[in-house]
Amino acid sequence: EAQVTQNPRYLITVTGKKLTVTCSQNMNHEYMSWYRQDPGLGLRQIYYSMNVEVTDKGDVPEGYKVSRKEKRNFPLILESPSPNQTSLYFCASSFSYRVETQYFGPGTRLLVL
Amino acid sequence: AQTVTQSQPEMSVQEAETVTLSCTYDTSESDYYLFWYKQPPSRQMILVIRQEAYKQQNATENRFSVNFQKAAKSFSLKISDSQLGDAAMYFCAYRSAQGGSEKLVFGKGTKLTVNP
Repeated sequence: EAQVTQNPRYLITVTGKKLTVTCSQNMNHEYMSWYRQDPGLGLRQIYYSMNVEVTDKGDVPEGYKVSRKEKRNFPLILESPSPNQTSLYFCASSFSYRVETQYFGPGTRLLVL
Repeated sequence: AQTVTQSQPEMSVQEAETVTLSCTYDTSESDYYLFWYKQPPSRQMILVIRQEAYKQQNATENRFSVNFQKAAKSFSLKISDSQLGDAAMYFCAYRSAQGGSEKLVFGKGTKLTVNP
């Protein structure tokens, strides 16, 4: 089944404790992206990757890191989480920029205390 | 920068009736894509319908159709014969067709309630 998976789905952590949210797609997509969703703000892009070893900042990159060592994986890293990073996070992928539909993962709900 | 505005934070409709969700956007580009995504309580983001700006014909997907007015920069979603399963948050989104601009710009969403 073609899909985007994220882990964990739910996470409670404390300020300053490094964490990683994994994202994996099995559709051989080139393009991957991370969004965060906050009430009243919709979804905002954090980082995106055009292909392996190619990443760039989105609208709200502060406090986040990403890497793209393999085509299928695009982990989101919070080196020192803070409470303002409490949010719902989505990973998305698409074959390339020429194919407009992005497929979303199920979301990861993060609470930083 | 492009912006997407959904002016209706909440809407409600009776089961089997028709409802229209509004979306306007601001862009200086001539070629782009527009989308409606549905987010049910499960929080999954599900593509409902998409429209290419260069196409004059409005997109339709079963009970879902859009009214795309390029000059007015308007992209409304019509849901016909509403069903209880249509209850969800609906997000309008914009994406540039220019290479290297894969970012989706989202509106803030409209919460749709379907009353039995």
